[in-house]
Amino acid sequence: AQSVTQLDSQVPVFEEAPVELRCNYSSSVSVYLFWYVQYPNQGLQLLLKYLSGSTLVKGINGFEAEFNKSQTSFHLRKPSVHISDTAEYFCAVWGGATNKLIFGTGTLLAVQP
Amino acid sequence: KAGVTQTPRYLIKTRGQQVTLSCSPISGHRSVSWYQQTPGQGLQFLFEYFSETQRNKGNFPGRFSGRQFSNSRSEMNVSTLELGDSALYLCASSLSVRGQGAPGEQYFGPGTRLTVT
Repeated sequence: AQSVTQLDSQVPVFEEAPVELRCNYSSSVSVYLFWYVQYPNQGLQLLLKYLSGSTLVKGINGFEAEFNKSQTSFHLRKPSVHISDTAEYFCAVWGGATNKLIFGTGTLLAVQP
Repeated sequence: KAGVTQTPRYLIKTRGQQVTLSCSPISGHRSVSWYQQTPGQGLQFLFEYFSETQRNKGNFPGRFSGRQFSNSRSEMNVSTLELGDSALYLCASSLSVRGQGAPGEQYFGPGTRLTVT
Protein backbone atom coordinates (compact mmCIF):
# COMPACT_ATOMS: atom_id res chain seq x y z
CA ALA A 1 0.00 0.00 0.00
CA GLN A 2 1.12 3.53 -0.69
CA SER A 3 1.96 5.90 2.13
CA VAL A 4 3.43 9.36 2.53
CA THR A 5 5.61 10.65 5.35
CA GLN A 6 6.19 14.29 6.09
CA LEU A 7 8.71 14.25 8.89
CA ASP A 8 8.43 17.91 9.86
CA SER A 9 5.13 19.02 11.32
CA GLN A 10 6.29 22.62 11.46
CA VAL A 11 9.11 24.52 9.77
CA PRO A 12 9.85 28.04 11.01
CA VAL A 13 11.92 30.19 8.67
CA PHE A 14 12.76 33.85 8.27
CA GLU A 15 11.54 35.83 5.32
CA GLU A 16 13.82 35.67 2.25
CA ALA A 17 15.54 32.54 3.54
CA PRO A 18 15.47 29.27 1.56
CA VAL A 19 13.29 26.42 2.70
CA GLU A 20 12.96 22.69 2.08
CA LEU A 21 9.93 20.67 3.11
CA ARG A 22 10.59 16.97 3.18
CA CYS A 23 8.39 14.22 1.81
CA ASN A 24 9.06 10.51 1.55
CA TYR A 25 6.72 7.98 0.04
CA SER A 26 6.46 4.26 -0.11
CA SER A 27 5.06 2.36 -3.01
CA SER A 28 5.82 -0.81 -4.88
CA VAL A 29 4.55 0.59 -8.14
CA SER A 30 5.03 3.74 -10.15
CA VAL A 31 3.32 6.70 -8.64
CA TYR A 32 2.31 10.24 -9.35
CA LEU A 33 3.40 12.75 -6.74
CA PHE A 34 1.87 16.06 -5.77
CA TRP A 35 2.33 18.98 -3.43
CA TYR A 36 -0.72 20.90 -2.32
CA VAL A 37 -0.89 24.08 -0.23
CA GLN A 38 -3.64 25.08 2.16
CA TYR A 39 -3.92 28.68 3.29
CA PRO A 40 -5.90 29.43 6.46
CA ASN A 41 -9.63 28.82 6.09
CA GLN A 42 -9.28 27.65 2.52
CA GLY A 43 -9.26 24.43 0.56
CA LEU A 44 -6.18 22.84 -0.96
CA GLN A 45 -4.48 24.26 -4.02
CA LEU A 46 -2.23 22.27 -6.33
CA LEU A 47 1.35 23.57 -6.18
CA LEU A 48 3.05 21.12 -8.51
CA LYS A 49 3.01 17.55 -9.74
CA TYR A 50 5.39 14.85 -10.90
CA LEU A 51 4.04 12.41 -13.42
CA SER A 52 7.11 11.32 -15.38
CA GLY A 53 10.12 12.73 -17.20
CA SER A 54 12.35 15.38 -15.67
CA THR A 55 12.86 14.81 -11.97
CA LEU A 56 12.91 18.54 -11.22
CA VAL A 57 9.42 19.93 -11.29
CA LYS A 58 8.54 23.61 -11.13
CA GLY A 59 5.28 24.84 -9.71
CA ILE A 60 3.47 28.01 -8.85
CA ASN A 61 4.69 30.77 -6.55
CA GLY A 62 8.38 29.93 -7.16
CA PHE A 63 8.25 26.45 -5.62
CA GLU A 64 9.98 23.44 -7.09
CA ALA A 65 10.36 19.80 -6.11
CA GLU A 66 12.77 17.04 -6.99
CA PHE A 67 11.72 13.45 -7.46
CA ASN A 68 14.33 10.98 -6.25
CA LYS A 69 13.34 7.43 -7.00
CA SER A 70 16.24 5.76 -5.19
CA GLN A 71 15.48 7.67 -2.00
CA THR A 72 11.71 7.61 -2.57
CA SER A 73 11.58 11.30 -1.83
CA PHE A 74 9.85 14.32 -3.28
CA HIS A 75 11.12 17.32 -1.32
CA LEU A 76 9.69 20.78 -1.90
CA ARG A 77 11.99 23.78 -2.10
CA LYS A 78 11.87 27.52 -2.47
CA PRO A 79 15.01 29.67 -2.65
CA SER A 80 13.50 32.70 -0.92
CA VAL A 81 10.24 32.64 1.03
CA HIS A 82 7.77 35.43 1.68
CA ILE A 83 5.41 36.07 4.55
CA SER A 84 2.59 35.13 2.21
CA ASP A 85 3.98 31.59 1.89
CA THR A 86 2.85 30.87 5.45
CA ALA A 87 0.49 27.93 5.02
CA GLU A 88 0.21 24.18 5.45
CA TYR A 89 1.81 22.08 2.76
CA PHE A 90 0.70 18.57 1.93
CA CYS A 91 2.58 15.97 -0.04
CA ALA A 92 0.39 13.38 -1.75
CA VAL A 93 0.84 10.22 -3.77
CA TRP A 94 -1.50 8.67 -6.29
CA GLY A 95 -1.00 4.98 -6.78
CA GLY A 96 -2.68 2.98 -9.46
CA ALA A 97 -3.36 0.08 -7.13
CA THR A 98 -5.62 2.06 -4.82
CA ASN A 99 -6.92 4.74 -7.18
CA LYS A 100 -6.80 7.12 -4.25
CA LEU A 101 -4.86 10.24 -3.44
CA ILE A 102 -3.00 9.54 -0.20
CA PHE A 103 -1.91 12.60 1.78
CA GLY A 104 0.86 13.13 4.24
CA THR A 105 0.13 14.71 7.60
CA GLY A 106 1.17 18.15 6.40
CA THR A 107 3.93 20.61 7.24
CA LEU A 108 3.14 24.06 8.56
CA LEU A 109 5.51 26.57 7.01
CA ALA A 110 5.72 29.56 9.35
CA VAL A 111 7.53 32.49 7.76
CA GLN A 112 8.69 35.12 10.21
CA PRO A 113 9.68 38.71 9.38
CA LYS B 1 -13.91 28.70 -15.28
CA ALA B 2 -15.54 28.83 -11.90
CA GLY B 3 -13.85 26.76 -9.22
CA VAL B 4 -15.29 24.08 -7.01
CA THR B 5 -18.02 25.43 -4.78
CA GLN B 6 -19.27 23.97 -1.54
CA THR B 7 -22.34 24.89 0.45
CA PRO B 8 -22.83 25.71 3.18
CA ARG B 9 -19.45 27.00 4.33
CA TYR B 10 -20.25 26.66 8.01
CA LEU B 11 -22.70 24.45 9.81
CA ILE B 12 -23.52 23.77 13.45
CA LYS B 13 -25.49 20.64 14.28
CA THR B 14 -26.46 18.74 17.38
CA ARG B 15 -25.40 15.20 18.12
CA GLY B 16 -27.85 12.71 16.64
CA GLN B 17 -28.97 14.96 13.80
CA GLN B 18 -28.14 14.41 10.17
CA VAL B 19 -26.53 16.78 7.69
CA THR B 20 -26.22 17.13 3.94
CA LEU B 21 -23.33 18.94 2.30
CA SER B 22 -23.25 19.99 -1.32
CA CYS B 23 -20.46 20.26 -3.86
CA SER B 24 -20.49 21.66 -7.40
CA PRO B 25 -17.41 20.62 -9.40
CA ILE B 26 -15.59 22.56 -12.06
CA SER B 27 -17.50 22.50 -15.31
CA GLY B 28 -16.50 19.44 -17.33
CA HIS B 29 -15.11 17.54 -14.36
CA ARG B 30 -16.80 14.19 -13.92
CA SER B 31 -15.16 12.93 -10.77
CA VAL B 32 -15.92 14.24 -7.30
CA SER B 33 -14.08 13.12 -4.18
CA TRP B 34 -14.81 13.91 -0.56
CA TYR B 35 -12.34 14.23 2.28
CA GLN B 36 -12.59 14.78 6.00
CA GLN B 37 -9.91 16.97 7.57
CA THR B 38 -9.34 17.05 11.32
CA PRO B 39 -6.35 18.18 13.41
CA GLY B 40 -5.89 14.69 14.79
CA GLN B 41 -6.40 12.51 11.71
CA GLY B 42 -5.39 14.89 8.96
CA LEU B 43 -6.89 14.44 5.50
CA GLN B 44 -8.86 11.25 5.12
CA PHE B 45 -10.53 10.05 1.95
CA LEU B 46 -14.25 9.41 2.25
CA PHE B 47 -15.38 8.41 -1.24
CA GLU B 48 -15.26 9.22 -4.91
CA TYR B 49 -18.08 9.45 -7.40
CA PHE B 50 -17.79 9.26 -11.15
CA SER B 51 -20.72 9.36 -13.55
CA GLU B 52 -23.20 9.00 -10.69
CA THR B 53 -21.51 5.85 -9.37
CA GLN B 54 -19.39 5.44 -6.29
CA ARG B 55 -16.05 4.38 -7.69
CA ASN B 56 -13.98 4.29 -4.53
CA LYS B 57 -14.53 4.33 -0.81
CA GLY B 58 -12.49 5.05 2.29
CA ASN B 59 -12.75 3.50 5.73
CA PHE B 60 -15.68 5.35 7.19
CA PRO B 61 -18.83 3.93 8.78
CA GLY B 62 -22.05 3.61 6.85
CA ARG B 63 -23.36 6.80 8.46
CA PHE B 64 -21.36 8.60 5.80
CA SER B 65 -22.90 8.37 2.37
CA GLY B 66 -22.93 10.33 -0.83
CA ARG B 67 -24.36 10.58 -4.26
CA GLN B 68 -23.71 12.28 -7.56
CA PHE B 69 -26.22 13.73 -9.94
CA SER B 70 -26.23 13.71 -13.73
CA ASN B 71 -24.73 17.22 -13.81
CA SER B 72 -21.81 15.92 -11.68
CA ARG B 73 -22.89 17.84 -8.60
CA SER B 74 -22.46 15.78 -5.49
CA GLU B 75 -23.92 15.62 -2.02
CA MET B 76 -22.57 14.03 1.09
CA ASN B 77 -24.78 12.95 3.96
CA VAL B 78 -23.87 12.13 7.52
CA SER B 79 -26.57 10.59 9.67
CA THR B 80 -26.70 10.31 13.46
CA LEU B 81 -23.99 12.88 13.97
CA GLU B 82 -21.35 12.29 16.63
CA LEU B 83 -19.07 14.81 18.29
CA GLY B 84 -16.13 13.27 16.42
CA ASP B 85 -17.69 14.18 13.11
CA SER B 86 -16.73 17.80 13.69
CA ALA B 87 -14.33 18.55 10.86
CA LEU B 88 -13.66 20.41 7.67
CA TYR B 89 -15.21 18.49 4.80
CA LEU B 90 -13.50 19.06 1.50
CA CYS B 91 -14.76 18.27 -1.93
CA ALA B 92 -12.43 17.92 -4.90
CA SER B 93 -13.15 17.50 -8.57
CA SER B 94 -11.03 16.13 -11.38
CA LEU B 95 -11.33 15.48 -15.09
CA SER B 96 -10.75 11.76 -14.74
CA VAL B 97 -10.74 11.34 -18.48
CA ARG B 98 -8.10 9.07 -19.98
CA GLY B 99 -5.42 11.17 -21.62
CA GLN B 100 -6.54 14.39 -20.00
CA GLY B 101 -5.23 15.63 -16.70
CA ALA B 102 -3.45 13.35 -14.29
CA PRO B 103 -4.92 10.98 -11.75
CA GLY B 104 -4.62 12.72 -8.43
CA GLU B 105 -4.71 16.18 -9.97
CA GLN B 106 -7.67 17.35 -8.01
CA TYR B 107 -9.16 20.78 -7.51
CA PHE B 108 -10.51 21.50 -4.08
CA GLY B 109 -13.37 23.62 -2.86
CA PRO B 110 -13.09 25.84 0.22
CA GLY B 111 -14.70 23.22 2.42
CA THR B 112 -17.64 23.05 4.80
CA ARG B 113 -16.77 23.51 8.46
CA LEU B 114 -19.10 21.22 10.44
CA THR B 115 -19.34 21.61 14.18
CA VAL B 116 -21.29 19.02 16.15
CA THR B 117 -22.35 20.02 19.65
